[in-house]
Amino acid sequence: QQQVKQSPQSLIVQKGGISIINCAYENTAFDYFPWYQQFPGKGPALLIAIRPDVSEKKEGRFTISFNKSAKQFSLHIMDSQPGDSATYFCATGGSSNTGKLIFGQGTTLQVKP
Amino acid sequence: NAGVTQTPKFQVLKTGQSMTLQCAQDMNHNSMYWYRQDPGMGLRLIYYSASEGTTDKGEVPNGYNVSRLNKREFSLRLESAAPSQTSVYFCTTQVWMNTEAFFGQGTRLTVV
Repeated sequence: QQQVKQSPQSLIVQKGGISIINCAYENTAFDYFPWYQQFPGKGPALLIAIRPDVSEKKEGRFTISFNKSAKQFSLHIMDSQPGDSATYFCATGGSSNTGKLIFGQGTTLQVKP
Repeated sequence: NAGVTQTPKFQVLKTGQSMTLQCAQDMNHNSMYWYRQDPGMGLRLIYYSASEGTTDKGEVPNGYNVSRLNKREFSLRLESAAPSQTSVYFCTTQVWMNTEAFFGQGTRLTVV
């Protein structure tokens, strides 16, 4: 079974700090790497996504860094805010995968005021 | 524009009972998926329908069946519920492969 390994499982950051969540994947055929954000009682929603033709993508305070050779990608949240407190999931997808997304185990982020 | 609608939102079943989780989308998307979310396990794919008229097993299909009724609707059936099926179930849709997945609000199922 193809896996996506996400770490850490939980993370506590002070307001204004940088939150970093990492994911590692196995299948080099994957070519779509999204991050999802989930608030309690809600379904996950797309936060930011990257394709393997670039090494970094930034949207506001959120940045994905992608290392194709290491088969790793990470989410960086700059100037973390209490409103960022949520569960974050990385995922991978590929054109050979009929659109299926394989999700990581999730990271619960708490940003302290 | 409702997006992805799941019913019911909450359900308690006794072991051995059956039920169907409903999912409907008004986004005209081709692909629909059922995931379950368990603490520490992330989101695991149960079944999916890449397009109308097709269904396939995902990572954890045992104990479940699905029906792609039409392009809009994709249902998940538990024939004989077990406590191990206690979970939060999410239906998602994608316009096609390698595109954004849109989630329903989830169904929280408890089997006692």
